Amino acid sequence: DAKTTQPNSMESNEEEPVHLPCNHSTISGTDYIHWYRQLPSQGPEYVIHGLTSNVNNRMASLAIAEDRKSSTLILHRATLRDAAVYYCILRCDSWGKLQFGAGTQVVVTP
Amino acid sequence: NAGVTQTPKFRVLKTGQSMTLLCAQDMNHEYMYWYRQDPGMGLRLIHYSVGEGTTAKGEVPDGYNVSRLKKQNFLLGLESAAPSQTSVYFCASSYALTTPNEQFFGPGTRLTVL
Repeated sequence: DAKTTQPNSMESNEEEPVHLPCNHSTISGTDYIHWYRQLPSQGPEYVIHGLTSNVNNRMASLAIAEDRKSSTLILHRATLRDAAVYYCILRCDSWGKLQFGAGTQVVVTP
Repeated sequence: NAGVTQTPKFRVLKTGQSMTLLCAQDMNHEYMYWYRQDPGMGLRLIHYSVGEGTTAKGEVPDGYNVSRLKKQNFLLGLESAAPSQTSVYFCASSYALTTPNEQFFGPGTRLTVL
């Protein structure tokens, strides 16, 4: 699986947007971009995924660069509950293995 | 629905002891997974199962065995625990292998091997 690069940490004020970057310059044509997050002392939870087009759901938006070598997870209005480690994961569609990196620790301040 | 549950939540073992971690899911998912997470790191896949009666090795399978006798349960066994197996263990399940393949995770088991 191709590798992703994320910043170690990011800070945001409550109710402001958070833009989490992810670089994946070696992405292949069959790799989907997945985001999971892990709240403190909990298991990871699915956030969003995409292939080429931008995606929106109730939790977040995913903006994918035209060349697919980078993507950005957007939390539109950060809340204290959004403080977590966010993982950007590339997954080949042939098999569902998730390879987690170290992720980005998001800190939300009131 | 309870989702994915794990038993026990915490456990302390001495080196050489054995134990079994139980994972149960009530979503009728075919696919189940065991991961471990060491401090400050992401999760690593230990073993997985694509259906009742089947198991396969993941990224870090050494020192662990698994069984999937019932569709809803996935057991992870440590025959002779070592301090290097001190970690948080997460179980997950999914409906499919291919995208979309949202994996649902349990709350984790924190294991310490002395």
